Amino acid sequence: EIVMTQSPGTLSVFPGERVTLSCRASQSLGINLAWYQQKPGQAPSLLMYDASTRATGVPARFSGSGSGTEFTLTISGLQSEDFAVYYCQQYANWPPKTFGQGTRVESK
Amino acid sequence: QVQLLESGPGLVKPSETLSLTCSVSGDSMNSGTYYWTWIRQPPGRGLEYIGYVSYTGSTNYNPSLKSRVTILVDTSKKQFSLKLSSVTAADTAVYYCARDHTYHGSFDHWGQGTLVTVSS
Repeated sequence: EIVMTQSPGTLSVFPGERVTLSCRASQSLGINLAWYQQKPGQAPSLLMYDASTRATGVPARFSGSGSGTEFTLTISGLQSEDFAVYYCQQYANWPPKTFGQGTRVESK
Repeated sequence: QVQLLESGPGLVKPSETLSLTCSVSGDSMNSGTYYWTWIRQPPGRGLEYIGYVSYTGSTNYNPSLKSRVTILVDTSKKQFSLKLSSVTAADTAVYYCARDHTYHGSFDHWGQGTLVTVSS
């Protein structure tokens, strides 16, 4: 099973700041990685797939990069609605598809 | 716009079988483009993949749960279901159904989730 590790666990930021979230895989994924946003009481929502392709309707301030074992999700100019938990997920080698433990982005 | 909606008991006794159904609207299930998937999230914790069923009925499960899981599909009713046997308190979670896009392996539509508590 591929283990996904996200850092940091929590990020405290001001609105308008640029935010960088990291995700590391225990083995190479190529670009077979997705990112999700989850707000309290809601289901996760797909942000990015294939490491850097935005899902339908996702604002351009969200961008993804990386390949192999190191990936990054960047939010350029954090909006108030972006405070949430973010998860990465691999689909390179499954079952099972596995998720990181999440990074919480909270208001400073 | 496809929508998914979970339904089923919110309370299950230890050692019994958890049964949930996901109803799909807004799209046909008869496509090889998608797998129909269950994912769970224990309270305050991360996401765990349970498994999928295709429109043909083929399945694939998380090895850690494989001995206890059955996922079935009924395309005529536009539903798929989850059965998890011999449950314990560790199976308490919000259970989500989701659509898995086979082209890129991510989950592009989710149900709202349903909390299932295992307790006597």
